[in-house]
Amino acid sequence: RKEVEQDPGPFNVPEGATVAFNCTYSNSASQSFFWYRQDCRKEPKLLMSVYSSGNEDGRFTAQLNRASQYISLLIRDSKLSDSATYLCVVNGRDDKIIFGKGTRLHILP
Amino acid sequence: NAGVTQTPKFRILKIGQSMTLQCTQDMNHNYMYWYRQDPGMGLKLIYYSVGAGITDKGEVPNGYNVSRSTTEDFPLRLELAAPSQTSVYFCASKTGSSYEQYFGPGTRLTVT
Repeated sequence: RKEVEQDPGPFNVPEGATVAFNCTYSNSASQSFFWYRQDCRKEPKLLMSVYSSGNEDGRFTAQLNRASQYISLLIRDSKLSDSATYLCVVNGRDDKIIFGKGTRLHILP
Repeated sequence: NAGVTQTPKFRILKIGQSMTLQCTQDMNHNYMYWYRQDPGMGLKLIYYSVGAGITDKGEVPNGYNVSRSTTEDFPLRLELAAPSQTSVYFCASKTGSSYEQYFGPGTRLTVT
């Protein structure tokens, strides 16, 4: 099993819809989880941290499911500007930081 | 704060040439990283450093070298450039107490 796995997509979603994607991780001892956003030909930027209790930031909600070892990202009322690649990041063994390969999201007008 | 800065933004190298990619951060972060990202692919860790004077190999270190003489700077050296090193290179940094990384804008390198 890979350390961090994401569905590469692309997810093609009409504007205004709700979209969600998951990221699974293999190290049950992982404690830190993040979602990063990467626009085409740009650097990754932190979107939000994922806390045990879940967290919400405007239209974005991130959740952690420790039992099944995955994190999720939900985007409500999607905008054209949400089109990007979303990277899942988890701390792995030996304190390493593991990036998923990303999920591509296209919001359609 | 300027954050993490990288130079140059773009570079074309001929096979066999060498160059240094510069990375500087002004956030006093101890941890610094070099990644490469090939088109449509994820980030691959080349080298990282946990503090001045300390460097360690990542997933794909072959063909690269690094040094960390100061907290601020973490240059990446390519010796004998090869077409397989055509990629976008990102430098990142973080504090010792968080896993959140801050990325530079990247250097787009083409080797022909």
